[in-house]
Amino acid sequence: DQQVKQNSPSLSVQEGRISILNCDYTNSMFDYFLWYKKYPAEGPTFLISISSIKDKNEDGRFTVFLNKSAKHLSLHIVPSQPGDSAVYFCAAYKPGNMLTFGGGTRLMVKP
Amino acid sequence: GAGVSQSPSNKVTEKGKDVELRCDPISGHTALYWYRQSLGQGLEFLIYFQGNSAPDKSGLPSDRFSAERTGGSVSTLTIQRTQQEDSAVYLCASSLHGGLAGGSGNTIYFGEGSWLTVV
Repeated sequence: DQQVKQNSPSLSVQEGRISILNCDYTNSMFDYFLWYKKYPAEGPTFLISISSIKDKNEDGRFTVFLNKSAKHLSLHIVPSQPGDSAVYFCAAYKPGNMLTFGGGTRLMVKP
Repeated sequence: GAGVSQSPSNKVTEKGKDVELRCDPISGHTALYWYRQSLGQGLEFLIYFQGNSAPDKSGLPSDRFSAERTGGSVSTLTIQRTQQEDSAVYLCASSLHGGLAGGSGNTIYFGEGSWLTVV
């Protein structure tokens, strides 16, 4: 039972345009969501997070949107840069449990 | 240390041999986690430590896998009688607080992983 899903395994975007990475979850008990970025041969690094009491959190070029009714969150990167090319993992948390990760989306930003 | 440190960074082992992977968490972090990422797969939770105890071992794939943590710091993940399907990147992570597992600002920080190849 995959509780956190990233349905797009890959995404290709032109440099300077917006990248939108999507994530869906099934468990309404999740109350905190995070995005991690992973480069090849490195561990995932924390990117941005959002609490379920908010619907938007912005940090520089990165914005995460949360739609609780739809159990959907998205990560927007604008403008996209070639250095943003990586695998992005969505993760969700519910009290007393571990983080549950999605399968990841590989973003490729073309110069 | 400044970050989560894992060793070895790369390990090639023969099928049937035992392997030990080491994790040194960020100093002062009470919670430690092991995850695994197989080729083309997402991150798979293996085990969580709060201090030296492991309240959640639910992700360990078989009884060939075990982990321990001593002194509330270094952890060792041991895989006995390795199989080819054990080939993966084994990621260790730590967070400041235990029991909250990354929620409410308790960010989990990952190491760079130990790449295990079983031939």
